[in-house]
Amino acid sequence: GAVVSQHPSWVICKSGTSVKIECRSLDFQATTMFWYRQFPKQSLMLMATSNEGSKATYEQGVEKDKFLINHASLTLSTLTVTSAHPEDSSFYICSARVLAGESTGELFFGEGSRLTVL
Amino acid sequence: RKEVEQDPGPFNVPEGATVAFNCTYSNSASQSFFWYRQDCRKEPKLLMSVYSSGNEDGRFTAQLNRASQYISLLIRDSKLSDSATYLCVTLTDSWGKLQFGAGTQVVVTP
Repeated sequence: GAVVSQHPSWVICKSGTSVKIECRSLDFQATTMFWYRQFPKQSLMLMATSNEGSKATYEQGVEKDKFLINHASLTLSTLTVTSAHPEDSSFYICSARVLAGESTGELFFGEGSRLTVL
Repeated sequence: RKEVEQDPGPFNVPEGATVAFNCTYSNSASQSFFWYRQDCRKEPKLLMSVYSSGNEDGRFTAQLNRASQYISLLIRDSKLSDSATYLCVTLTDSWGKLQFGAGTQVVVTP
């Protein structure tokens, strides 16, 4: 099946620094990618929908200036957590589907990136 | 109110036993329903879709009740490898925005 690769898997950073997480679709082109955040024992929460060649669509309550999303190509979307603080520590997961608008539920997920902000 | 609600568990199940749990959803416009499995500190993976008439995939049976807005998952002959968190997921539009429940933890014991 389709593969989505996410990097880095783990990152520890100091408060105030910025962290970039990459999400790549390895064997297909993804016009749309999704970024989720998951706190311990909680559900995945959609942060934003990343659209290739256009601005991302952010969910209510997600600061677009803090979580910068760039989807410059059909195989790469990046999430940059700017000026990270300890409360941003979480598990960030990207996902993609093969065809935009496809009405199926199988999203292919990246392996996730665990961010710890000290 | 959360859009998708699940009993967090854990459901402690002896190996070989049957376990079942439900998930309720609040959005009557939800179009599609799925069960995902998530192992600790890993990404979710699709277990099965849930069809209106109910469907079975090996030891797993899923049911959908649109009138009462819930779906269920039943696992027969539980294996140790079934230990995981099972996420109930709904899809309300064709562009892929999924709503996830917080998950039901299942622990299968020898």
